[in-house]
Amino acid sequence: AQSVTQPDIHITVSEGASLELRCNYSYGATPYLFWYVQSPGQGLQLLLKYFSGDTLVQGIKGFEAEFKRSQSSFNLRKPSVHWSDAAEYFCAVDENYGQNFVFGPGTRLSVLP
Amino acid sequence: EAQVTQNPRYLITVTGKKLTVTCSQNMNHEYMSWYRQDPGLGLRQIYYSMNVEVTDKGDVPEGYKVSRKEKRNFPLILESPSPNQTSLYFCASSFKTRYNEQFFGPGTRLTVL
Repeated sequence: AQSVTQPDIHITVSEGASLELRCNYSYGATPYLFWYVQSPGQGLQLLLKYFSGDTLVQGIKGFEAEFKRSQSSFNLRKPSVHWSDAAEYFCAVDENYGQNFVFGPGTRLSVLP
Repeated sequence: EAQVTQNPRYLITVTGKKLTVTCSQNMNHEYMSWYRQDPGLGLRQIYYSMNVEVTDKGDVPEGYKVSRKEKRNFPLILESPSPNQTSLYFCASSFKTRYNEQFFGPGTRLTVL
């Protein structure tokens, strides 16, 4: 079965600084990859997704992610973090039309003023 | 407004007292799913449904039941809740392809004493 790891449990950055959240997956075939964000007390919102094609994908709120097959990674980036980006971020893999949709453990982002 | 609704949002109950958490979506989605979220573990899939009367187990189905009698509704049933089912539960729905994002409900915080 595939798995998703997010090595960083908690990251703190200053407002205006750049951000990179790491995600690694183990999966044999071409993965379908997602990043979701969960603001405090809220449900999950899709930031971006990758299925095929250009390995650099753009999402909402100024986020982007790059798929690197050789490293089995799908890292999320933002050039300049805003205080409202403080939230928990989840990487996820869809193996088979939602029949085995696997989330990573999440990375909590704190933003210093 | 397109949305996934869950009720109740908060529930405190006692061991062994049957309960149902309702989930409803108004987007005509075929696929629906239940997840539980626990600290450090991310979201884990409990059950999913590919369409009416079609349900299947996810990663952590023990102690839960579901039914899908109508397309819009996907209730989660705990016949005899135990304290280890204390968690945050999310319902999600999507169209039945891997290209479509899952839309999440606001979550139900369950405490079993």
